[in-house]
Amino acid sequence: AQKITQTQPGMFVQEKEAVTLDCTYDTSDQSYGLFWYKQPSSGEMIFLIYQGSYDEQNATEGRYSLNFQKARKSANLVISASQLGDSAMYFCAMSHLDMDSNYQLIWGAGTKLIIKP
Amino acid sequence: SAVISQKPSRDICQRGTSLTIQCQVDSQVTMMFWYRQQPGQSLTLIATANQGSEATYESGFVIDKFPISRPNLTFSTLTVSNMSPEDSSIYLCSVEREGAYNNEQFFGPGTRLTVL
Repeated sequence: AQKITQTQPGMFVQEKEAVTLDCTYDTSDQSYGLFWYKQPSSGEMIFLIYQGSYDEQNATEGRYSLNFQKARKSANLVISASQLGDSAMYFCAMSHLDMDSNYQLIWGAGTKLIIKP
Repeated sequence: SAVISQKPSRDICQRGTSLTIQCQVDSQVTMMFWYRQQPGQSLTLIATANQGSEATYESGFVIDKFPISRPNLTFSTLTVSNMSPEDSSIYLCSVEREGAYNNEQFFGPGTRLTVL
């Protein structure tokens, strides 16, 4: 069965430090995608970064990078030079082709990140 | 990226009543998704709504409780029927970016529902 595991329910990080949010996954799909979303206290879900299972290079988007280790089935999010505005819930998700041939996202439990000034 | 709006943004409802949530997209999309996020929890997919066909519900969700309409390619509604306090959640609609190779989903701002 497809599953996303985020083992860090909460993290405190000093402003300007780098932070790594863990995500491991389990899937029987040959092709899949891994996503990270940010959810501030306002409730909106903001797409951050994507990594395809066949992508050989780690994805990067500004201060966000995805440390993809396929053999270990991990897709950790790295935020460099953290800012106060990075305080939010962070969700890891994985695309999965369901029985109706529709893609759906499988979600992790999330990590609450708090940046300390 | 798609721009998605939801109405209402929040509501406080009485037990036993129903609430219809609207989701409007600024471009035509094939697939729309409805999620529920209970307090402090992750997202749970309620159903997938494709235009011109009945919504496909996930395990644990039924059409009588969460009827969905999808009259065209830019609009959908989710009704939470006969509400109880356990239905207090954020309800989010999302769409899959057309032509995207990565199945990225864009989300609306969400509807915060409190049931008394």
